[in-house]
Amino acid sequence: ILNVEQSPQSLHVQEGDSTNFTCSFPSSNFYALHWYRWETAKSPEALFVMTLNGDEKKKGRISATLNTKEGYSYLYIKGSQPEDSATYLCAFSRGSTLGRLYFGRGTQLTVWP
Amino acid sequence: GAGVSQSPSNKVTEKGKDVELRCDPISGHTALYWYRQSLGQGLEFLIYFQGNSAPDKSGLPSDRFSAERTGGSVSTLTIQRTQQEDSAVYLCASSPRGEGNEQFFGPGTRLTVL
Repeated sequence: ILNVEQSPQSLHVQEGDSTNFTCSFPSSNFYALHWYRWETAKSPEALFVMTLNGDEKKKGRISATLNTKEGYSYLYIKGSQPEDSATYLCAFSRGSTLGRLYFGRGTQLTVWP
Repeated sequence: GAGVSQSPSNKVTEKGKDVELRCDPISGHTALYWYRQSLGQGLEFLIYFQGNSAPDKSGLPSDRFSAERTGGSVSTLTIQRTQQEDSAVYLCASSPRGEGNEQFFGPGTRLTVL
């Protein structure tokens, strides 16, 4: 069993606060790390796909970093807004089983106005 | 363009009945995946198709579960003799080639087994 751990499990913040989540994964045979946002009653939406150690990606107020040697990734949200409320999923893929993603349980973010 | 679609969106069935869940991937995507999320759990991989063949079906939890894909497009996940532990949200995703790249998800089918 390949464990992907995400923390915290849930987070409640005030509008305007900045926040960050952690994803840890097995570093052996790594291929790619994915972050998805899953809003209630919608499809999970890809935020980032990262493959290289040291990768940093940014989309608007959201950014992510990747450390493949130690097996972790951080997702940052700057100036959280109520529309950022969602479950944020981390997943990785391995070189030996390309195709399938191994998901963590997610971090549920609630942003209060 | 059209995204991944799934039907039905909700399905309530009685224990012991068979159910079929359908997935229409994005046109031209050769790779198709099925996942499920049970209550309190993360997304769990079930099966991966490349074209019409399934190189990885290691996630199917029992022989009551089967899936097929025809014409390199539509896929059907069949659960025979449903059990209460089969209750979950079943998600389908597709990608242009597979190979660990971005997967595009459908809205899911919520299955409830009474």
